[in-house]
Amino acid sequence: SQTIHQWPATLVQPVGSPLSLECTVEGTSNPNLYWYRQAAGRGLQLLFYSVGIGQISSEVPQNLSASRPQDRQFILSSKKLLLSDSGFYLCAHGRSNEKLFFGSGTQLSVL
Amino acid sequence: QKEVEQDPGPLSVPEGAIVSLNCTYSNSAFQYFMWYRQYSRKGPELLMYTYSSGNKEDGRFTAQVDKSSKYISLFIRDSQPSDSATYLCAMIRGTYKYIFGTGTRLKVLA
Repeated sequence: SQTIHQWPATLVQPVGSPLSLECTVEGTSNPNLYWYRQAAGRGLQLLFYSVGIGQISSEVPQNLSASRPQDRQFILSSKKLLLSDSGFYLCAHGRSNEKLFFGSGTQLSVL
Repeated sequence: QKEVEQDPGPLSVPEGAIVSLNCTYSNSAFQYFMWYRQYSRKGPELLMYTYSSGNKEDGRFTAQVDKSSKYISLFIRDSQPSDSATYLCAMIRGTYKYIFGTGTRLKVLA
């Protein structure tokens, strides 16, 4: 069965510090991978998606970047965090036009 | 206009009631539709996935799609306090992009 691992569950970081969130998927190969952000009381905002190793599409110009160094690994990064980067970050995987499955999420607070 | 509109609620119902959750959309190209349940501080959990007009049933859940009206619904029968959560509708634009509603917060009162 397919599983998706996302960590850490909670993160508190000072403004200006770097960020690295990691997501790994098991039980599938060549998945489409996604990073979403969910602000309090708001919907899911697509940040990045990847259809293959090294292939990253950015949806929103921002302070964040993503990388896919391996087939089932997706990393969200920032060199310098802003207050506005606070939110609930979700990794997801799926296949074209098929079901999308989410990780457990990371609550990021930038202070 | 947003591509997907969803009433944020909250929607409060007594235990055992039938719940109706709805989304409207503007892009007639959407072909695949999903409903997710999200508990506080957790990742969304897929409840229903459908790609055609009509009804699809799974246990206490029924998903309904009306492409002519650009309207989808999720019905929950015999609602339980454990159903209290935020429900998100989602649709696929193109091949890769999943577009989500803002979610409806549901409270089922014991």
